[in-house]
Amino acid sequence: SQTIHQWPATLVQPVGSPLSLECTVEGTSNPNLYWYRQAAGRGLQLLFYSVGIGQISSEVPQNLSASRPQDRQFILSSKKLLLSDSGFYLCAWTTSTDTQYFGPGTRLTVL
Amino acid sequence: RKEVEQDPGPFNVPEGATVAFNCTYSNSASQSFFWYRQDCRKEPKLLMSVYSSGNEDGRFTAQLNRASQYISLLIRDSKLSDSATYLCVVNKGGGSNYKLTFGKGTLLTVNP
Repeated sequence: SQTIHQWPATLVQPVGSPLSLECTVEGTSNPNLYWYRQAAGRGLQLLFYSVGIGQISSEVPQNLSASRPQDRQFILSSKKLLLSDSGFYLCAWTTSTDTQYFGPGTRLTVL
Repeated sequence: RKEVEQDPGPFNVPEGATVAFNCTYSNSASQSFFWYRQDCRKEPKLLMSVYSSGNEDGRFTAQLNRASQYISLLIRDSKLSDSATYLCVVNKGGGSNYKLTFGKGTLLTVNP
């Protein structure tokens, strides 16, 4: 069966510091991968998606970037965090039926 | 019109009650529809897909009306464990079938 891992689970970072969040998927090949952010009291916002290695599409302009160095690895990065980057970051993968499955998420607080 | 719009809630119901959630979507090209549940501070989890003919899974019934672009979720005999936020989810359709749009969710609290 497929599983999706994210780490770290929680993170507290100062404004202006860099960020790297990692997501890995097991048990499937060539998945579509997604990064979402859920800010407090708000819905899920799609940040990036990837349909293959090195293929990244950005949904919203911001100071975040994403990379997919391996088939089942998806990384979310920032060079300098802003207060507004605080939120719950979720990685997801898609089956052939469009159903998305989420990882456990990373709760990021920027102070 | 928002892409996906749900009842704002919150809903507070006693155990055993029947509760209905409503959702409308704006993109007539959407082809896939889902209900997810999200527990407090956890990731969303798929509750059920929604099919044109309607579908049922135990106490949960989902219905889709493509003409009205309306989706519903009915929970019968609600349990304390049903307390969660329910998310209506629709795919973007067309060439972006693999991109989903999430509603903001409706919070349900089932009280003893």
